[in-house]
Amino acid sequence: QVQLVESGGGVVQPGRSLRLSCAASGFTFSRYGIHWVRQAPGKGLEWVAAISNDGSNKYYADSVKGRFIISRDNSKNTLYLQMNSLRTEDTAVYYCAKEVATVTPSPFDYWGQGTLVTVSS
Amino acid sequence: DIQMTQSPSSVSASVGDRVTFTCRASQGISNWLAWYQQKPGKAPKLLIYAASSLQSGVPSRFSGSGSGTDFTLTISSLQPEDFATYYCQQANSFPSTFGQGTKLEIK
Repeated sequence: QVQLVESGGGVVQPGRSLRLSCAASGFTFSRYGIHWVRQAPGKGLEWVAAISNDGSNKYYADSVKGRFIISRDNSKNTLYLQMNSLRTEDTAVYYCAKEVATVTPSPFDYWGQGTLVTVSS
Repeated sequence: DIQMTQSPSSVSASVGDRVTFTCRASQGISNWLAWYQQKPGKAPKLLIYAASSLQSGVPSRFSGSGSGTDFTLTISSLQPEDFATYYCQQANSFPSTFGQGTKLEIK
C-alpha cells in the first residue's frame, strides 16, 4: 500500500534552518510529482512547493521562495524540503502529498501524516 | 495567482440532509478542481478530482460539478462521519491554491 512518512520536524529558532524528509513506498516514486503542503495551527491548507517526477522542475509559493528548497532522490524514494531563514509564520504541520496522475500539477491522492515545525525563540 | 473562494465558511446540518458547498476561482481553471475532506488531527482525503470524478473508495453520496470558475460539492444524504472541513484546490497551474475551507458541523 502507498505510504508517505514525513520526518525532521521540531522546534527551531527564527532564522535557523531545518530539513524535512518524506519517505515513500508502495508506488513507483519516480513516476509522480510530489508536493509539500502546510497547515498552521487552526488554519487552512497552504500549498508550499512541488517537484516534478524527475526533479527537473520545481515550484514554490511566494511565501517561501528564496528560503525553501525542494528536492528528491529517486534512488532512495525520498523527498526533501530544506527550510532556511525560518520565520515564526512558518510554524505549521508540513505534509508531503503524492499527485494522483503522472501530470504536474494534479491533485493529491495520498498524504503523509504530517510533521510539526515550530519556529520560536 | 489564482484565488479560490469557498462559501459558506461554516454550515450546520443534520444527518440525512443534503448539503452543497461552493468554490469560486478568480479566473477560469477549466475542470482542474479537486475537493478534500479533513478531520481534526488528520491529513486531508481526496474526494473529487477533475471537478466531478469520484476518487476510488469515496462513497457515491459525494458528487462534484462545475467548470470554469464556479464549482460545487454536494453530499446527498449526510452521514455522521461526514462532519469535517472541506477544501477545494485548483490544479490548473502553479502556484496551486486551496480555498479557505468550509466547516460542516452537526446541527
